[in-house]
Amino acid sequence: DQQVKQNSPSLSVQEGRISILNCDYTNSMFDYFLWYKKYPAEGPTFLISISSIKDKNEDGRFTVFLNKSAKHLSLHIVPSQPGDSAVYFCAASIINDMRFGAGTRLTVKP
Amino acid sequence: DAGVIQSPRHEVTEMGQEVTLRCKPISGHNSLFWYRQTMMRGLELLIYFNNNVPIDDSGMPEDRFSAKMPNASFSTLKIQPSEPRDSAVYFCASSLVRLPGEQYFGPGTRLTVT
Repeated sequence: DQQVKQNSPSLSVQEGRISILNCDYTNSMFDYFLWYKKYPAEGPTFLISISSIKDKNEDGRFTVFLNKSAKHLSLHIVPSQPGDSAVYFCAASIINDMRFGAGTRLTVKP
Repeated sequence: DAGVIQSPRHEVTEMGQEVTLRCKPISGHNSLFWYRQTMMRGLELLIYFNNNVPIDDSGMPEDRFSAKMPNASFSTLKIQPSEPRDSAVYFCASSLVRLPGEQYFGPGTRLTVT
């Protein structure tokens, strides 16, 4: 059972524009949500997170939005840069039990 | 800090053979996780340990898979016997339990079973 879903396997964006990556979850008990970024031949690296008591968290070019009623979160990257090209994983956790989505491959074209 | 260390980085083996993947977590971290990444299912949590004790192994696909953490600085994931469908990238990650979710991943082991 996929408790965390990323329905878009890929996304292509022009450099300088906004990238929006989406994620849905099914378990209302999740209390912490994260985005990880993965380059080829490397492990995922933590990018940004949000607690379930918030609806927005911003870190530089990256903003995560959480809509608990819709069980939906999104990652906005503004402006997108070619170096942002990677696979982005959405994750949701209850304490240490973390579940990942299947990932979205973002390509930022120069 | 060297980060999470995994070995080997690549493993090619024949069906039926035993495979052992190794992980050294970040010093001081008290939680360790094993994940498997496939094209079809993305990143799946296989098992995680807190303070060397297995907490949840419900993600371990079959009895052919086993994991141990004999001490705070070492863990193994063993597959015996291996099958072609086990081919995937296996990641180890570690964290401090007081920081929910922020796990640090190793570079992964790419396993190919022929």
